[in-house]
Amino acid sequence: DVKVTQSSRYLVKRTGEKVFLECVQDMDHENMFWYRQDPGLGLRLIYFSYDVKMKEKGDIPEGYSVSREKKERFSLILESASTNQTSMYLCASRGRGANTDTQYFGPGTRLTVL
Amino acid sequence: QQQVKQSPQSLIVQKGGISIINCAYENTAFDYFPWYQQFPGKGPALLIAIRPDVSEKKEGRFTISFNKSAKQFSLHIMDSQPGDSATYFCAARLDGTASKLTFGTGTRLQVTL
Repeated sequence: DVKVTQSSRYLVKRTGEKVFLECVQDMDHENMFWYRQDPGLGLRLIYFSYDVKMKEKGDIPEGYSVSREKKERFSLILESASTNQTSMYLCASRGRGANTDTQYFGPGTRLTVL
Repeated sequence: QQQVKQSPQSLIVQKGGISIINCAYENTAFDYFPWYQQFPGKGPALLIAIRPDVSEKKEGRFTISFNKSAKQFSLHIMDSQPGDSATYFCAARLDGTASKLTFGTGTRLQVTL
């Protein structure tokens, strides 16, 4: 069964802290994604990766960075957390090739920055 | 820039009724249109999807209607059940971009008894 796991369900951090959100998938997928979900704004793409060590900016990359050192793991980094980064963060993965259109999502990490 | 516009923001339907959620897009290069369903505390999961070469796709009680000329597509849930209460997101994929999806803003559906 397909599985995407995220390191924390809930996280509370202070303004200015460095925050790491971890995502692991067990499907040997090439593509991985980080979204943030906010009420009334839907899901917005922060960064994505189509291979190990490869990354591309999404629609709202400011204030974030990512790391993909291994195929199964994609990390989202908030270098200096700010209150406007309080949100639900969702990780997703997708395979490559024909008949692999589906993105599989993790359960999300609700981050609160105080 | 909202490339996929979704309406309504929320919807209340009685059990047994039809739920209809609409989406509109501008970019004619989109080549795949999925709908995702999200229950509280869970990540979104693919519900049903359509490609622009067909006008309708049905899976059980769920149907996507697609109007290419109007650049609109909609999700119809027939015989809506309380278990369908969830948030629904439409999305569109731009061909050739590592399958990036652009999501709508979501519709919170509540099905009442």
